[in-house]
Amino acid sequence: AQSVTQLDSQVPVFEEAPVELRCNYSSSVSVYLFWYVQYPNQGLQLLLKYLSGSTLVKSINGFEAEFNKSQTSFHLRKPSVHISDTAEYFCAVIEGGYQKVTFGTGTKLQVIP
Amino acid sequence: DADVTQTPRNRITKTGKRIMLECSQTKGHDRMYWYRQDPGLGLRLIYYSFDVKDINKGEISDGYSVSRQAQAKFSLSLESAIPNQTALYFCATSDSVPTGNSYNEQFFGPGTRLTVL
Repeated sequence: AQSVTQLDSQVPVFEEAPVELRCNYSSSVSVYLFWYVQYPNQGLQLLLKYLSGSTLVKSINGFEAEFNKSQTSFHLRKPSVHISDTAEYFCAVIEGGYQKVTFGTGTKLQVIP
Repeated sequence: DADVTQTPRNRITKTGKRIMLECSQTKGHDRMYWYRQDPGLGLRLIYYSFDVKDINKGEISDGYSVSRQAQAKFSLSLESAIPNQTALYFCATSDSVPTGNSYNEQFFGPGTRLTVL
């Protein structure tokens, strides 16, 4: 069965500093991987996804994540964070063909001015 | 207009009351989901429906029931609310069509904050 681990529940970082939010998954079959973002008092929205092809995927607002099959990881990175990036970030996985998503427990990114 | 709407947005109720949360979508998606979000636990799947005649239990379905009234409507009921059902509830949709750009992506409503006293 698929599972997702986000070990960091909170990550404080100063504005303009780099950040990495970690995500590891467990699955015995091929997977699709996602990062969703939840801004305060809002629902979740897709940030980026890996379905196939290039293992490095990027969002329009400067985030990127790399699928590493050998390490079963899909860490999210941004070289320079902004105050507006303050949000909760959820990693999610779908095992190929099932369409049922398993979410991690979330990481709260707090950007400090 | 929002693609996925939820009503009510906030609800306070008492233990033992029956509550219905409603979800409507205009995205034309066939698949719909109900999640609850609790601090530190992320999102947990309550029920999901892959089409109007298909209803499936998620990982925490006890104490909940659902109804898929139409492709666009999926409601969640708490038959007899209890305080540990206090949470933020999200409805989501997804598209089963493999060629769509949004295939496998879930689209979330704004959430319903439910408090059971």
